[in-house]
Amino acid sequence: QSALTQPPSASGSPGQSVTISCTGTSSDVGGYNYVSWYQQHPGKAPKLMIYEVDKRPSGVPDRFSGSKSGNTASLTVSGLQAEDEADYYCSSYAGRNIVFGGGTKLTVL
Amino acid sequence: QLHLQESGPGLVRPSETLSLTCTVSGGSISSSDYYWGWIRQPPGKGLEWIGSIFYSGSTDYNPSLKSRLTISIDTSKNQFSLNLNSVTAADTAVYHCARQVYNRYIQDWGQGTLVTVSS
Repeated sequence: QSALTQPPSASGSPGQSVTISCTGTSSDVGGYNYVSWYQQHPGKAPKLMIYEVDKRPSGVPDRFSGSKSGNTASLTVSGLQAEDEADYYCSSYAGRNIVFGGGTKLTVL
Repeated sequence: QLHLQESGPGLVRPSETLSLTCTVSGGSISSSDYYWGWIRQPPGKGLEWIGSIFYSGSTDYNPSLKSRLTISIDTSKNQFSLNLNSVTAADTAVYHCARQVYNRYIQDWGQGTLVTVSS
């Protein structure tokens, strides 16, 4: 199984929106509606932000949204805030396995 | 409030076996709604899913690690464990245990424990 492809970095100014892409194949992202996104601050455990493509767990701000088209999923962070600066990882069900993206470092300028 | 805590040696010699245990509190490991998984992160790198186990003992493993990997569960102790044999420096990582909603997504994470493979 190959890792999903994410851009290594993304950035935006406070208040702006930024979108992070996650590209897989028909065997993972494109084949199932089980894409999830995780936020990880330095030295901390990852935190679930989006599951099943576009669902938000309780407590996650609605500034975070997810979508999918074909083999590519996306995470959009609207109204950027300083605390959104972190690493973001996408993940997908891949037929009895889970595969992760390489991660995107989001910088709030 | 679910809590997952990893425990085990922080240093393992090359070619030996890495063994970790995850103790779950605040919830039952015997739930049919969840799988219990392991994920690792080499220093400065991304996340890698290792494998998962259901309360019945059924397992799913990352194909790249399958030949060296055993995940087991002890429902009487509310614990599950990871054994990875024939380790090399490439297995040096922070190892997280986790509660998964089947193999769809990871709902809860342990804080992680750093395991270094070195002589």
